[in-house]
Amino acid sequence: KAGVTQTPRYLIKTRGQQVTLSCSPISGHRSVSWYQQTPGQGLQFLFEYFSETQRNKGNFPGRFSGRQFSNSRSEMNVSTLELGDSALYLCASSTGVGSGANVLTFGAGSRLTVL
Amino acid sequence: AQKITQTQPGMFVQEKEAVTLDCTYDTSDPSYGLFWYKQPSSGEMIFLIYQGSYDQQNATEGRYSLNFQKARKSANLVISASQLGDSAMYFCAMREDPIQGAQKLVFGQGTRLTINP
Repeated sequence: KAGVTQTPRYLIKTRGQQVTLSCSPISGHRSVSWYQQTPGQGLQFLFEYFSETQRNKGNFPGRFSGRQFSNSRSEMNVSTLELGDSALYLCASSTGVGSGANVLTFGAGSRLTVL
Repeated sequence: AQKITQTQPGMFVQEKEAVTLDCTYDTSDPSYGLFWYKQPSSGEMIFLIYQGSYDQQNATEGRYSLNFQKARKSANLVISASQLGDSAMYFCAMREDPIQGAQKLVFGQGTRLTINP
């Protein structure tokens, strides 16, 4: 079955602009999570969506937002970009129900560079 | 607050040797899950192995095993018979389970493993 698809894979923006990243989860997965990876801060949780509702949120400013559509596809938006937003943004999907192994499957990431 | 500590920033191992990557965690939640992921230079995170806090036995998946010592709050990854393709970043992560199914992983800083021929 198809994996988690993230688009675009690479993008370059300038300070002050906004960006929208897209994530298509594995078919049947209802949970989509987003993570930011930087050399300095490592991997940090942004937010999780389940059945179109935000279920968990990390400690990021309000410039970072997301949403999930009825087909479970998710988008995240970063407004008023700052240099520090340069990062690899990883999306992960899972069934989102039950406990135990309920493994997150990650996409290849969207690498954002802010100039 | 959750915390994951990986004390080995980098490791160099000869091909075919076994390697242990360290991970300690801190949580006050009795129900949690521990994960190991591999991240090659391509960037994609690849799931390796999972251990639940209530699991009685150490998890194993092929060449990967997890040395789970609950009292010490450690969850070390053991890779047997290392291969050149094992060269990558390895991340330990923890999920607390206050809400069934909710997904929020806290990651360690990672260990860069290099396998030498």
